[in-house]
Amino acid sequence: DGGITQSPKYLFRKEGQNVTLSCEQNLNHDAMYWYRQDPGQGLRLIYYSQIVNDFQKGDIAEGYSVSREKKESFPLTVTSAQKNPTAFYLCASSIGRHIGGYTEAFFGQGTRLTVV
Amino acid sequence: ELKVEQNPLFLSMQEGKNYTIYCNYSTTSDRLYWYRQDPGKSLESLFVLLSNGAVKQEGRLMASLDTKARLSTLHITAAVHDLSATYFCAVNNYGQNFVFGPGTRLSVLP
Repeated sequence: DGGITQSPKYLFRKEGQNVTLSCEQNLNHDAMYWYRQDPGQGLRLIYYSQIVNDFQKGDIAEGYSVSREKKESFPLTVTSAQKNPTAFYLCASSIGRHIGGYTEAFFGQGTRLTVV
Repeated sequence: ELKVEQNPLFLSMQEGKNYTIYCNYSTTSDRLYWYRQDPGKSLESLFVLLSNGAVKQEGRLMASLDTKARLSTLHITAAVHDLSATYFCAVNNYGQNFVFGPGTRLSVLP
């Protein structure tokens, strides 16, 4: 089955810890994205990547880091510098900037991160 | 900076009634997307609107796009309880990423 897999589904972080959220896709998409959603709110863009080994900051990148070493994978690290990381994190992918492209973004099932 | 607005943000309606959700965006784009999110779940793609005048329908939902007015509508016909969810519109930001509206939380009451 083609799709986007995020893991873990639930994650608990202690104060001062770094944690990494996994996102893997087998849709052969070039573009991948990380969004954060707070309760009752919309989606805010953290980082995005249009191609392997390249990524750009979104609107709320501070306290987060990413890598894109493989087309299929776009892990997100929530660092200790992120003071309020409790949220629902959504990874998405799309075909990307191809002529006639710009299909919709497809989403993984999300990771719910809680600081304890 | 691309901004996407939706109204209303909250909508409570009775079963069997019709209503429209509006999505306005601030810059030129001919690609507009509608998503549904159930509580605690991820986003599910509903419609992809790729040109001015595009209209898509699925069951009791119909979406349209007017790129000149920078406006998309999501029309709900004869609402049923199963349509209760949060609906997001999104615009492709010059091929770079997707900017989402704040969402419209719909409750359909019996």
